[in-house]
Amino acid sequence: EVQLVDSGGGLVQPGGSLRLSCGASGFTFSNYWMSWVRQAPGKGLEWVANTNQDGSENYYVDSVKGRFTISRDSAKNSLFLHMNSLRAEDTAIYYCVRGGGAIWGQGTLVTVSS
Amino acid sequence: DVVMTQSPLSLPVTLGQPASISCRSSQSLVYSDGNTYLYWFHQRPGQSPRRLINKVSNRDSGVPDRFSGNGSGTDFTLKISRVEAEDVGVYYCMQATHWPKTFGQGTKLEIK
Repeated sequence: EVQLVDSGGGLVQPGGSLRLSCGASGFTFSNYWMSWVRQAPGKGLEWVANTNQDGSENYYVDSVKGRFTISRDSAKNSLFLHMNSLRAEDTAIYYCVRGGGAIWGQGTLVTVSS
Repeated sequence: DVVMTQSPLSLPVTLGQPASISCRSSQSLVYSDGNTYLYWFHQRPGQSPRRLINKVSNRDSGVPDRFSGNGSGTDFTLKISRVEAEDVGVYYCMQATHWPKTFGQGTKLEIK
């Protein structure tokens, strides 16, 4: 079964850091662009970051540039999102997404609050 | 950034009746390779989004044929031929032609 499992969310204080993980199974992970998409509580969807098949090309939405880093480990079939200098407005469910959105993880909730 | 504008934002529909959602982009979504990277997603409450349509009009695997997509350039439409109870939730269009990828605001479909 093709699956993405998101983890690593939690409560963090403003200015803090967190690392999200996404475990992939059921497909050849190294063949696909991978992304993180977030959804603030009760709001719409926002595409946060992309990485290509070997991790050499990464793109970020302006609001997270310089604070978030997307990375991948193909040996472990895993995608990561390193988040620094977190702000209240980063509070959201973060989804790992394969390619153009055919497969989504279940999401992991990040809450930034003091 | 490309702005995606959906209408209506709220869509009450009677079971068995058709429904239509419009999505307009602030720039053409035709990419240099000739493809148009416009997608449609459905999200039920408490669930992850599910992709229904890729590249304007191609139904994803397992998507009922009552769902169809069409359009070109900057104007796109998702149609449901006969709404069923399981179709409730929020529908999003998304463009992947330009970075950053952007979504519409969402259209909430409910049963009258």
